[in-house]
Amino acid sequence: AQSVTQLGSHVSVSEGALVLLRCNYSSSVPPYLFWYVQYPNQGLQLLLKYTSAATLVKGINGFEAEFKKSETSFHLTKPSAHMSDAAEYFCAVSESLGNTGKLIFGQGTTLQVKP
Amino acid sequence: EPEVTQTPSHQVTQMGQEVILRCVPISNHLYFYWYRQILGQKVEFLVSFYNNEISEKSEIFDDQFSVERPDGSNFTLKIRSTKLEDSAMYFCASSRQTGKNGYTFGSGTRLTVV
Repeated sequence: AQSVTQLGSHVSVSEGALVLLRCNYSSSVPPYLFWYVQYPNQGLQLLLKYTSAATLVKGINGFEAEFKKSETSFHLTKPSAHMSDAAEYFCAVSESLGNTGKLIFGQGTTLQVKP
Repeated sequence: EPEVTQTPSHQVTQMGQEVILRCVPISNHLYFYWYRQILGQKVEFLVSFYNNEISEKSEIFDDQFSVERPDGSNFTLKIRSTKLEDSAMYFCASSRQTGKNGYTFGSGTRLTVV
């Protein structure tokens, strides 16, 4: 069965500092992996996705993530945090073969950006 | 940019009442989904829908839940007899293909059962 683990329910960084949000997954087949962001009282917005092409994926708002099969990880990074990055971030996995499109989400990580 | 629209944004209902949550997916999308997020918890899959039938459902999606695409544009989630534990944010999503393209989510309906 697929699962996603996000290490750290809360991450706090200073404005301008590196953002690193961790995600590990388990899947019996090659996965598709996603990061979504949720701002307060809003829906889920796709930040980026890995779909078996390049292992380093660039997304919106300066975020990127690297798929590491050996570590079963898909950590999200941003070189320099902005105040506007404060939000909830969700990692999600979907199977690549014969699937109905179901996404399995991690618990989420709340990113706090301090001035 | 095309959006998934959900109505209402907030709904308060009494325990035991029926509620219908409405969604208008993106027009050329073929796959439709409902997810829910109980306050402070992760987003959970409820059901996927394709070609006018359920393609997969979770354990949460019991006989109290049903989905329908009544008119080719709307996609609804019905809860027949709401329970307190149904209080959550419900998200509708749609996609053109499954898997790799990701999904477009609506802004959600916050359901409060009192």
